Amino acid sequence: DVKVTQSSRYLVKRTGEKVFLECVQDMDHENMFWYRQDPGLGLRLIYFSYDVKMKEKGDIPEGYSVSREKKERFSLILESASTNQTSMYLCASRVWRTSSYEQYFGPGTRLTVT
Amino acid sequence: GQQVMQIPQYQHVQEGEDFTTYCNSSTTLSNIQWYKQRPGGHPVFLIQLVKSGEVKKQKRLTFQFGEAKKNSSLHITATQTTDVGTYFCAGYLSGTYKYIFGTGTRLKVLA
Repeated sequence: DVKVTQSSRYLVKRTGEKVFLECVQDMDHENMFWYRQDPGLGLRLIYFSYDVKMKEKGDIPEGYSVSREKKERFSLILESASTNQTSMYLCASRVWRTSSYEQYFGPGTRLTVT
Repeated sequence: GQQVMQIPQYQHVQEGEDFTTYCNSSTTLSNIQWYKQRPGGHPVFLIQLVKSGEVKKQKRLTFQFGEAKKNSSLHITATQTTDVGTYFCAGYLSGTYKYIFGTGTRLKVLA
């Protein structure tokens, strides 16, 4: 079974703090993603990575950065947390199976910025 | 920008009733995937449809991909309390690697 883990389920940070969200997958997947999920907006892609040390901006990268130093680990960084970054953050890894990609999600980190 | 909307946003049904969620894209999709997210959980991949007009079934769930590949539907027959959750569609915009999630439909089943 594919396993995608995230460092925290719940996190509370203050405005202006630097925040690190860690994601690890154990299936040697090359592609990894960070999404945020907000009610009524679905999942929106922040950043993704096709391979180690590679990163691409998604739809809403502003205020975020990422790091992929090792294949199994993809980190999301909030340089200076703001209240509008309060959200559920979901990490995913992706694999090609037969005729399609399948994404596997981590349990999510619910971040509250006060 | 490209959008994938789902309707309804919320749906409450009595156990045993049928349920349908519709997924509509402003742009042609090369494929459509469906996910289920249980309350407090994370999205779990259910199925993928690729061909225009394709229909697939998984027990009580029927998935359909529109002829124009811009819309899709998920129909659940005789809902059960275990069907509770949010259902998302997602797909790749044709000719791109851009993958977009729908806004989701939250289903509540009343026993």
